[in-house]
Amino acid sequence: DTEVTQTPKHLVMGMTNKKSLKCEQHMGHRAMYWYKQKAKKPPELMFVYSYEKLSINESVPSRFSPECPNSSLLNLHLHALQPEDSALYLCASSQDGRRAYYGYTFGSGTRLTVV
Amino acid sequence: GQQVMQIPQYQHVQEGEDFTTYCNSSTTLSNIQWYKQRPGGHPVFLIQLVKSGEVKKQKRLTFQFGEAKKNSSLHITATQTTDVGTYFCAEMYSGGGADGLTFGKGTHLIIQP
Repeated sequence: DTEVTQTPKHLVMGMTNKKSLKCEQHMGHRAMYWYKQKAKKPPELMFVYSYEKLSINESVPSRFSPECPNSSLLNLHLHALQPEDSALYLCASSQDGRRAYYGYTFGSGTRLTVV
Repeated sequence: GQQVMQIPQYQHVQEGEDFTTYCNSSTTLSNIQWYKQRPGGHPVFLIQLVKSGEVKKQKRLTFQFGEAKKNSSLHITATQTTDVGTYFCAEMYSGGGADGLTFGKGTHLIIQP
């Protein structure tokens, strides 16, 4: 079990659908992250929310949009996805986003399939 | 973008044999972290190394940080079936618009009983 909770665990969506992935942590961590992981590959950083500021990896397409309602929640809105976006989406949190002196705690992930 | 290079990509061992994975960087690292991901699971933080030449142990796992802080290794003594998974090293990367941990490609450890 992990202290970062992600829902849903599995999601199948069509290319015209709109869906959202949810992530919540109650550890008082000040930074949260979204990663995308394809099979047999390392996690790739998509978004960072740290010190009330959202940072976006320039390579992430606009069909992914993060939202941070409060310091313990980080959602990922999905719209008009492509089949190549099928992957495991991991949420993580850390005590401090400015320095990597703290390990990241990952959620169990949402396995997304785009059809 | 900047990324640590990790080798080997795959490692097959007999149960009871030792295992080592290596992480190398062309630039000096401020620190490095190691994670384990079981098949079908999520990455789990193992340890972080900060100091030059640092060595840390966790039971059968030994982690080292090079003197020049450009390389690191994870060594497992007498592997067990529970050690199966992918081991990633990770560094803090600033660039591309988002600052966060960037992972090496990982070493997939396969253990034959």
